[in-house]
Amino acid sequence: DTGVSQNPRHKITKRGQNVTFRCDPISEHNRLYWYRQTLGQGPEFLTYFQNEAQLEKSRLLSDRFSAERPKGSFSTLEIQRTEQGDSAMYLCAIDIRGLGETQYFGPGTRLLVL
Amino acid sequence: AQTVTQSQPEMSVQEAETVTLSCTYDTSENNYYLFWYKQPPSRQMILVIRQEAYKQQNATENRFSVNFQKAAKSFSLKISDSQLGDTAMYFCAATGTASKLTFGTGTRLQVTL
Repeated sequence: DTGVSQNPRHKITKRGQNVTFRCDPISEHNRLYWYRQTLGQGPEFLTYFQNEAQLEKSRLLSDRFSAERPKGSFSTLEIQRTEQGDSAMYLCAIDIRGLGETQYFGPGTRLLVL
Repeated sequence: AQTVTQSQPEMSVQEAETVTLSCTYDTSENNYYLFWYKQPPSRQMILVIRQEAYKQQNATENRFSVNFQKAAKSFSLKISDSQLGDTAMYFCAATGTASKLTFGTGTRLQVTL
């Protein structure tokens, strides 16, 4: 058990629609991260939170993307007006208190934009 | 900024044999961490092994060990006694004080009978 659940696991949507993904940390943790992974590539950093505060955003996170973490627990990632190029796996990760910089990943949400 | 390079897109090894996956990195940070993650087909990313850059001793985790050459900025993963369950995509990654992980493009490892 990696300590992170993500929902939904799969999402198919039509271009132009909005989608929202959710990440629920199970284990006690320090920071929460979002990454995007396209087919055949390594994950790319999108953003991260410490408690409720969003501390860094990648330039990959266009204005159509927004991430929130109300109350410092679960986090949501919303994509507005989806484009076919948004098709990817969206990964959530946490780092565990006391284990330094090590990040543990959830199962991801696979998005397909038609 | 950090960069991570994996120059072997695909590797193959027979069951019970040993294989080494290569990784080089570049960073301007003094304190950083290096990782190998495994991603089996259609399954989630799993941490394999972790190395703190300030530690000279190479990390070992059961059949997995690393060869960390700090001056050469090299961080290879050795898998001993390969098993069919080791078939996966392997990613090398680095992080520093900025917290975010920077990943390489991955090496697809196939373990055969």
